[in-house]
Amino acid sequence: GENVEQHPSTLSVQEGDSAVIKCTYSDSASNYFPWYKQELGKGPQLIIDIRSNVGEKKDQRIAVTLNKTAKHFSLHITETQPEDSAVYFCAASMPGGGADGLTFGKGTHLIIQP
Amino acid sequence: DTGVSQDPRHKITKRGQNVTFRCDPISEHNRLYWYRQTLGQGPEFLTYFQNEAQLEKSRLLSDRFSAERPKGSFSTLEIQRTEQGDSAMYLCASTAQRRSNTGELFFGEGSRLTVL
Repeated sequence: GENVEQHPSTLSVQEGDSAVIKCTYSDSASNYFPWYKQELGKGPQLIIDIRSNVGEKKDQRIAVTLNKTAKHFSLHITETQPEDSAVYFCAASMPGGGADGLTFGKGTHLIIQP
Repeated sequence: DTGVSQDPRHKITKRGQNVTFRCDPISEHNRLYWYRQTLGQGPEFLTYFQNEAQLEKSRLLSDRFSAERPKGSFSTLEIQRTEQGDSAMYLCASTAQRRSNTGELFFGEGSRLTVL
C-alpha cells in the first residue's frame, strides 16, 4: 500500500516568515495530494489539494508543489500569522479513492512565534 | 450545521466494556470513512462504506470492531471488550465519490475514547 513520509515533525517560525513542509510518497499510481490542517480538539480540515496533472497550485498565502518524478510534494505558507499555528497533515490517494481512502503523513506541528 | 457530526465527543469507559460511536455524514455524500488517530500520529484508515455497503476494512480493525451503515446514511462503530490500546480519537469523514476522482474528505470533530 501507499506510504507517506512527512517532515519536519515540528516547525517553529517567526510571525511573518514563510513555512515549508515536505512529504514523499511511495506509490507512483497516487494522483491526489491534499493537505489538512488540524486545530486542537477538532477534526482535520482540507486547506489545499493538488492532482498529479498539475505541478503547482496557489490559494492566497498557501501553495502546494508536486514533483511526480521524485514523488514528493510540499506545502508553502507565506506571511505566517498566529492563526496558522496547528498540526498539518499531508496525504496521498490513488485513482478512485483507492480501497484505503487517504494515506496520511504523521503530521507537522507548526508553531508561529509572535 | 450541515457538516459531519459525531457522537459522543468524549467517552470514558472501563476495560472490557462495549462502546458505540455514531457518525452522521453530509447528507448527499455516498462514501463514509472511519479513521483512528492516536496522539502525535496522522489518521489511520479503519473502514469505509459506499452507500450501505462496507467495501474495505483495514487489518487494524480487529474482530472486536464492527461498523454498520444500515440505510446508507448514518454509521455506527462499535468496539466490544475494549482494551487500553483502543484509546484514541475516532474520526468519521464523508465524501461524494464522483466517477474515478477522489473527492475532498470532510471530517467530523471526532469521538475521543479513553479506556481505563
